[in-house]
Amino acid sequence: NAGVTQTPKFRVLKTGQSMTLLCAQDMNHEYMYWYRQDPGMGLRLIHYSVGEGTTAKGEVPDGYNVSRLKKQNFLLGLESAAPSQTSVYFCASSSSGGYSYEQYFGPGTRLTVT
Amino acid sequence: AQSVSQHNHHVILSEAASLELGCNYSYGGTVNLFWYVQYPGQHLQLLLKYFSGDPLVKGIKGFEAEFIKSKFSFNLRKPSVQWSDTAEYFCAVAPSTDSNYQLIWGAGTKLIIKP
Repeated sequence: NAGVTQTPKFRVLKTGQSMTLLCAQDMNHEYMYWYRQDPGMGLRLIHYSVGEGTTAKGEVPDGYNVSRLKKQNFLLGLESAAPSQTSVYFCASSSSGGYSYEQYFGPGTRLTVT
Repeated sequence: AQSVSQHNHHVILSEAASLELGCNYSYGGTVNLFWYVQYPGQHLQLLLKYFSGDPLVKGIKGFEAEFIKSKFSFNLRKPSVQWSDTAEYFCAVAPSTDSNYQLIWGAGTKLIIKP
């Protein structure tokens, strides 16, 4: 049982390049989330999904797109990377929409855009 | 806008000292409250949570937190810290009006325990 995994762990991009971050969970969770973490700002929600085939915008969605084609996977795409997207990206999942839920996190992806 | 404030960004303590990390939120309705911890090189993980009932909540590794509704606070405490408590601690709040159960996060507190 691996929990939540993220690929890749590190990436350096040049401005304008594109990439996709993959998040996978093996806990059969319905909800999945993408966050970014910047120094002094805590975690900010980019996009989330409440089930297979669904996606929704979070607090900071601009410049990112997501897809949830399979329940266990949640992909985050950057179509044209910008230096402002330099950050650590975390994926999380949770089992239900009830308030007793706990979010389980992946190890993070450190992205640098030059 | 709803927000969560963690007043101390960096805390340095010696082993065996007592710890209290502050967390305040700005939301007038019912909330669910969480503390998460990120040990060096590890995933974020849940430390403790409050949903209802006894406002004093006990979590893993000897941590506890007290919900004081009148002060909009959920401070984290530990009577005697250990070197292994060195980590970053995040407070998070889930307002009850959010049907998608999104969390609002504080900026985090980096705790360093000197051996």
